[in-house]
Amino acid sequence: AQSVAQPEDQVNVAEGNPLTVKCTYSVSGNPYLFWYVQYPNRGLQFLLKYITGDNLVKGSYGFEAEFNKSQTSFHLKKPSALVSDSALYFCAVSSGNNRLAFGKGNQVVVIP
Amino acid sequence: NAGVMQNPRHLVRRRGQEARLRCSPVKGHSHVYWYRQLPEEGLKFMVYLQKENIIDESGMPKERFSAEFPKEGPSILRIQQVVRGDSAAYFCASSRDRGQNTGELFFGEGSRLTVL
Repeated sequence: AQSVAQPEDQVNVAEGNPLTVKCTYSVSGNPYLFWYVQYPNRGLQFLLKYITGDNLVKGSYGFEAEFNKSQTSFHLKKPSALVSDSALYFCAVSSGNNRLAFGKGNQVVVIP
Repeated sequence: NAGVMQNPRHLVRRRGQEARLRCSPVKGHSHVYWYRQLPEEGLKFMVYLQKENIIDESGMPKERFSAEFPKEGPSILRIQQVVRGDSAAYFCASSRDRGQNTGELFFGEGSRLTVL
C-alpha cells in the first residue's frame, strides 16, 4: 500500500521568508511523487513531480522539492513566500499504477 | 483546451434522495478518477475507471455508491439514498493514456454535495 504523511497541520511563515512543507512517503517500488495546491473552493492544481532523474525538482510559481530516498521524503520549498501562496498543499505518491495516494494536506498561511 | 469539467458545482439533497455527479475529462484522456474530500481531511481515493471499465473501486463504499464511464458521455458518480455523512466535495481527475502517462492527474473544480 502507498501512503503519505504530512506531519504539520498548518505552516505559518512571514512574507519573504523561506517556506517548507514537509512530506514523507511509503510505497512499494520506485515512487512517483507529486505536490498539488488547492485554493479555497477550487480543485487541485499540479505544482511539480518527481519520477526519475535529478533529486531537486523545480515546478510552478517558484516552488521546488527535493527527493530524498534514504529519508523517504519529498519536502516542498520556496525561497521567498508570497501572501498569494496561502493555500492548502497536498503531497501525493504512487507506484506508477495510476492511483495517487494523498496526504491530509497542509494549510500554509503567509503573513504580510 | 478545456480542462476537467464537473457539474453540478454545488448540489443539495435531502436524506434518502439520489445524487448524480458528472465529470468530463480532459479531451483525449481516457482515465478518470474520483476522490472525496471531507472537511478537515485529505483526498480519499474512491474509484478509477477507463472507458466502459472499472479498474479499481477499492475506495468505494460497498453500498449506495456506483460509478461509470460509458463509451460516450461523461463519467457519472451516483450516490443513492444519501445520508448526511455523504456531504463532501467530490473531485474528478483524468490522466493521459497509459503509454503517455507521466503520472500526474488533472483535477476538476469539484462538486460540493450537501445533504440536509
